Amino acid sequence: AQSVTQPDIHITVSEGASLELRCNYSYGATPYLFWYVQSPGQGLQLLLKYFSGDTLVQGIKGFEAEFKRSQSSFNLRKPSVHWSDAAEYFCASRGAFGNEKLTFGTGTRLTIIP
Amino acid sequence: EPEVTQTPSHQVTQMGQEVILRCVPISNHLYFYWYRQILGQKVEFLVSFYNNEISEKSEIFDDQFSVERPDGSNFTLKIRSTKLEDSAMYFCASTPAWVPGTDTQYFGPGTRLTVL
Repeated sequence: AQSVTQPDIHITVSEGASLELRCNYSYGATPYLFWYVQSPGQGLQLLLKYFSGDTLVQGIKGFEAEFKRSQSSFNLRKPSVHWSDAAEYFCASRGAFGNEKLTFGTGTRLTIIP
Repeated sequence: EPEVTQTPSHQVTQMGQEVILRCVPISNHLYFYWYRQILGQKVEFLVSFYNNEISEKSEIFDDQFSVERPDGSNFTLKIRSTKLEDSAMYFCASTPAWVPGTDTQYFGPGTRLTVL
């Protein structure tokens, strides 16, 4: 069975500082990986996804993520955070078939301080 | 840009009552899903639906739950007799097809269900 682990429950970063949110997956084959963001009271917005190919993927809002098979990781990064990035971030995975369910991690809450 | 819509945004009900949560997936999408997120917890899969039948369901999706696509646009989740522990945010999602690169799940804004 698939599982996704986000080791950090809560991260606080100063505005303008760099950010890295960790995500580890467990899956027998190469999973399809996603990062979603949930702003307070809002739904889930897709930031980026990895299906195959280049292991560094670019997303919206200046985010990027790197797939590392050797570490079973798919960490999300941003070089300089903005106050509007404060939100809950979810890593998710699914198998190769397009209709498979997503398995989510527990989420990382990001707080931005001035 | 097309988006998944859900109504209502917030539903309050008494324990034991039936509720129907409504979703309008993105048109021309083929697969539909319901997920839920209990406050402070992770998003959990409930059920997937394709070609007018359930493709997969989780252990959460017991006999109290049902899904339906009553017409060409709506996708509903019914809870027959709500319990306190059904209080959660319910998300609908849809995805286009089995074509790699296009089969991303797009989520609606959610319906917050509060059972009193």
